[in-house]
Amino acid sequence: KNQVEQSPQSLIILEGKNCTLQCNYTVSPFSNLRWYKQDTGRGPVSLTIMTFSENTKSNGRYTATLDADTKQSSLHITASQLSDSASYICVVTRRTGTASKLTFGTGTRLQVTL
Amino acid sequence: DTEVTQTPKHLVMGMTNKKSLKCEQHMGHRAMYWYKQKAKKPPELMFVYSYEKLSINESVPSRFSPECPNSSLLNLHLHALQPEDSALYLCASSAWVDREDGELFFGEGSRLTVL
Repeated sequence: KNQVEQSPQSLIILEGKNCTLQCNYTVSPFSNLRWYKQDTGRGPVSLTIMTFSENTKSNGRYTATLDADTKQSSLHITASQLSDSASYICVVTRRTGTASKLTFGTGTRLQVTL
Repeated sequence: DTEVTQTPKHLVMGMTNKKSLKCEQHMGHRAMYWYKQKAKKPPELMFVYSYEKLSINESVPSRFSPECPNSSLLNLHLHALQPEDSALYLCASSAWVDREDGELFFGEGSRLTVL
């Protein structure tokens, strides 16, 4: 069954600290993995997209890693800011050849506090 | 311009009302999507349009009726909805539907409340 599991479900950190979010997937055949940031009541915004051959990709203070062998990804946030408070969703695309089939994780809710 | 614009941002309707959600993009994308998202849940795919034709309907009830008048516009017509249909409705677009590496751009969503 094609699934994407994220951990932790929620996380509270102090401003300025680093954190790492995890994503494990069983989607097959794998095409790519995306991390989105979603503020409450808003649409998701893309942070990174990684294909099979990429194992690290950065976007400012966000760094995503991908281990396609173990089917794991992580999103590392450096020097967190209050504006990082949001849900972070891991999305894995299954290769279909006809239409993109995305499987969404349930997200990690991050709260950054003073 | 890398925006997907959705209107209205908020909609409250009764179960007998007929209303529509609208989505617009001017990125030249040929694929457009409707997703439904309940609180604290991931988005669920409802419909996919490719080159203005409906290519995927994820067994959505007929009280939701999508329409793609042209390559830039996507509507979702709502009729006889139930309170459990209350959710955030997200529109998205991508350059192609048959390229898995295409970036998916989401709108801000329309928050629907059915009374």
